[in-house]
Amino acid sequence: DAGVIQSPRHEVTEMGQEVTLRCKPISGHDYLFWYRQTMMRGLELLIYFNNNVPIDDSGMPEDRFSAKMPNASFSTLKIQPSEPRDSAVYFCASSLYQGYSEQYFGPGTRLTVT
Amino acid sequence: RKEVEQDPGPFNVPEGATVAFNCTYSNSASQSFFWYRQDCRKEPKLLMSVYSSGNEDGRFTAQLNRASQYISLLIRDSKLSDSATYLCVVLSGGSYIPTFGRGTSLIVHP
Repeated sequence: DAGVIQSPRHEVTEMGQEVTLRCKPISGHDYLFWYRQTMMRGLELLIYFNNNVPIDDSGMPEDRFSAKMPNASFSTLKIQPSEPRDSAVYFCASSLYQGYSEQYFGPGTRLTVT
Repeated sequence: RKEVEQDPGPFNVPEGATVAFNCTYSNSASQSFFWYRQDCRKEPKLLMSVYSSGNEDGRFTAQLNRASQYISLLIRDSKLSDSATYLCVVLSGGSYIPTFGRGTSLIVHP
């Protein structure tokens, strides 16, 4: 398996623009997680899905952020409109199940909003 | 108080040294615990799970102290390649929501 795939790997955009980050989880994994990592706040869970259904989105910072998982092999995280404070590395991770299951992370998308 | 706290370091140690990190958590009902390793500009990867009885994997030993609400990671005979950031992860609640610590930076020098 190729592991968790994320695109793009780097994104530079101007404030106010829409940004869409993409993730393909490992086949067969029932859980998908979106994280954001910054120097100031560390790794923060934004939202996670179980069998394509959003379970907990309490970490989503505000209405400008939205996430979808239309099928088991694809998820998107959208920021509209983007702001400079959204600059961070966004990771997608997947796991077989919750609890004692290892999370496999994608390589991340490094987002810079100018 | 943060849910999961780690000393950010850096811990600067010579090759061959033994080094230990602690991670404290605030939710006494937390159920699962892990250590992840993150290299510079890379994604986190699982290093080891932490079991109630403690567990060892080669040079690495992880322990859980529920009474004092902390987990620990011990690295013996440090290698240059051990240089990385070590993240502890605590899963809590009925949905096992993961909370990551901010990580402890380890630098092993010759």
